[in-house]
Amino acid sequence: AQKVTQAQTEISVVEKEDVTLDCVYETRDTTYYLFWYKQPPSGELVFLIRRNSFDEQNEISGRYSWNFQKSTSSFNFTITASQVVDSAVYFCALSSIQGAQKLVFGQGTRLTINP
Amino acid sequence: ETGVTQTPRHLVMGMTNKKSLKCEQHLGHNAMYWYKQSAKKPLELMFVYSLEERVENNSVPSRFSPECPNSSHLFLHLHTLQPEDSALYLCASSQGAQGVGYEQYFGPGTRLTVT
Repeated sequence: AQKVTQAQTEISVVEKEDVTLDCVYETRDTTYYLFWYKQPPSGELVFLIRRNSFDEQNEISGRYSWNFQKSTSSFNFTITASQVVDSAVYFCALSSIQGAQKLVFGQGTRLTINP
Repeated sequence: ETGVTQTPRHLVMGMTNKKSLKCEQHLGHNAMYWYKQSAKKPLELMFVYSLEERVENNSVPSRFSPECPNSSHLFLHLHTLQPEDSALYLCASSQGAQGVGYEQYFGPGTRLTVT
């Protein structure tokens, strides 16, 4: 079964703090893809990153970084020096052959950055 | 226009009305999707179209009827809806639907309220 778990329902931090959003996934496929999306109050999901299961290299893009660890089936997302504009709901998602290529989303983490 | 657009952004309809949601993608993608996002549920995939052919119908009630006249346009026809159908309806597109790993690009959504 394909499953994505984001255990943190809501996180609230003060601006400039670092914050990590957790994502744990389940799949029996050896080839799969992981994604992170951001959903600001406007409603549109914004694609942030895609990783395939064969590439465990961590990625950094500005203040955003992602830590992919197959050993723990986790794909965590860290925002460094958070800003108010980072406030949104963040979704982790998984797709694989076993899952009929459908994008399976986690429940989302609502992140609030307070000034 | 760029990306994925959806109209209308907000819709209020009675249970006996018939209305349609429209989605248009300007990305040259071959696959389009309808998702439902309710307040307390994860994103639910409703329909998938690949090259204008429906490849997925995720046990959606017949009061929702999709239409994909070409690879750039997707409609969701609504009739005799129930109050529990009130939700944010998101359209997405991707380069392909038959391969694993394509990221999906989302529109801003239509906020539907059924009275």
